[in-house]
Amino acid sequence: DGGITQSPKYLFRKEGQNVTLSCEQNLNHDAMYWYRQDPGQGLRLIYYSQIVNDFQKGDIAEGYSVSREKKESFPLTVTSAQKNPTAFYLCASSQGQGAVYEQYFGPGTRLTVT
Amino acid sequence: LAKTTQPISMDSYEGQEVNITCSHNNIATNDYITWYQQFPSQGPRFIIQGYKTKVTNEVASLFIPADRKSSTLSLPRVSLSDTAVYYCLVGGGYQKVTFGIGTKLQVIP
Repeated sequence: DGGITQSPKYLFRKEGQNVTLSCEQNLNHDAMYWYRQDPGQGLRLIYYSQIVNDFQKGDIAEGYSVSREKKESFPLTVTSAQKNPTAFYLCASSQGQGAVYEQYFGPGTRLTVT
Repeated sequence: LAKTTQPISMDSYEGQEVNITCSHNNIATNDYITWYQQFPSQGPRFIIQGYKTKVTNEVASLFIPADRKSSTLSLPRVSLSDTAVYYCLVGGGYQKVTFGIGTKLQVIP
């Protein structure tokens, strides 16, 4: 089955700890994205990557970091510098980068930091 | 990037046709219009995409007037399972993607 996997589904961390969210795709897509969603809000773009070893900041990159060492993987690290990290995190991929390309989303990771 | 404006929320009774309009006055020549559907605690799912005139698939229709400054997503005979948030995206390739807040559709029995 082709698709995007995110793990874990739920994640709990103490304030001050860094945490890494996993995102893997087997769709052979070049582009990958990370979004954050807060209750009742839309999706906000954190980082995106057009190709391996390249990524760009989205609208709310502060306090987050990413890497794209493999085509299939785009992990997101939520650092202790992120002021309000509790949110629903969604990873997506598409054949190319941009709104014209259909994005395929993973099931999401709900992160709670206390 | 083209800015989009769509209603925050809409209510509809089961069995009715629902039309959600998105305004995008500064759409560029190379931009496409794409709609996604999102259920609670899930990622959005692609519904339909168009460039001009009308596009129809098994789920919805998309109407785009000649000036392309707006578009209307039409959902025929909605059911309770169509209760979701619907996002209108406008853009082409190699541009930052912006989802916005979307339109929350509530289908009433």
